[in-house]
Amino acid sequence: GNSVTQMEGPVTLSEEAFLTINCTYTATGYPSLFWYVQYPGEGLQLLLKATKADDKGSNKGFEATYRKETTSFHLEKGSVQVSDSAVYFCALTVNTGNQFYFGTGTSLTVIP
Amino acid sequence: NAGVTQTPKFQVLKTGQSMTLQCAQDMNHEYMSWYRQDPGMGLRLIHYSVGAGITDQGEVPNGYNVSRSTTEDFPLRLLSAAPSQTSVYFCASSQQGYSGNTIYFGEGSWLTVV
Repeated sequence: GNSVTQMEGPVTLSEEAFLTINCTYTATGYPSLFWYVQYPGEGLQLLLKATKADDKGSNKGFEATYRKETTSFHLEKGSVQVSDSAVYFCALTVNTGNQFYFGTGTSLTVIP
Repeated sequence: NAGVTQTPKFQVLKTGQSMTLQCAQDMNHEYMSWYRQDPGMGLRLIHYSVGAGITDQGEVPNGYNVSRSTTEDFPLRLLSAAPSQTSVYFCASSQQGYSGNTIYFGEGSWLTVV
């Protein structure tokens, strides 16, 4: 089946620290991979995506590379800011994209 | 741009009451869906629709009904609310037919059933 597993939180980092949030997946077919971010009291917003192997998605200093050999899509940022505090969701779709499969989310808190 | 609009944002229901969560999108997306978000469980798909007049069940459909009479609107109905339906509900939409399409979410509806 299709599923996403991401590292459990919460994660607390100091400002300017390096961030990695692990995400691995299983999929029937060739998936597209996404990271969504949810700020407090808001809906989910697309952070970045990759639609084929070895693609790197990037946005706002965040990056993730689609690794087919390890079925992974880890999220990284070199220097986090307080404003990055949010919940991050890894997700995938396959085929026509009718259904999104989400991980359980990882809460990140960045302290000054 | 309005994007995906959900109402109400907050609602408290008594067990057994019924209500409808409204969802509208102005992006002419064929695909619309409803998710619920619960602590430690991520987002789970309740129902989805690939176009007007077409709906299908997701992972957790029990206790919920949907209909899709227009491209723009996709209401979610709770027929007889139960405390287990206390959750945050998100409506979402996307273009149909390509797995790389971005899904756009509404801001959420916080529902408490007492």
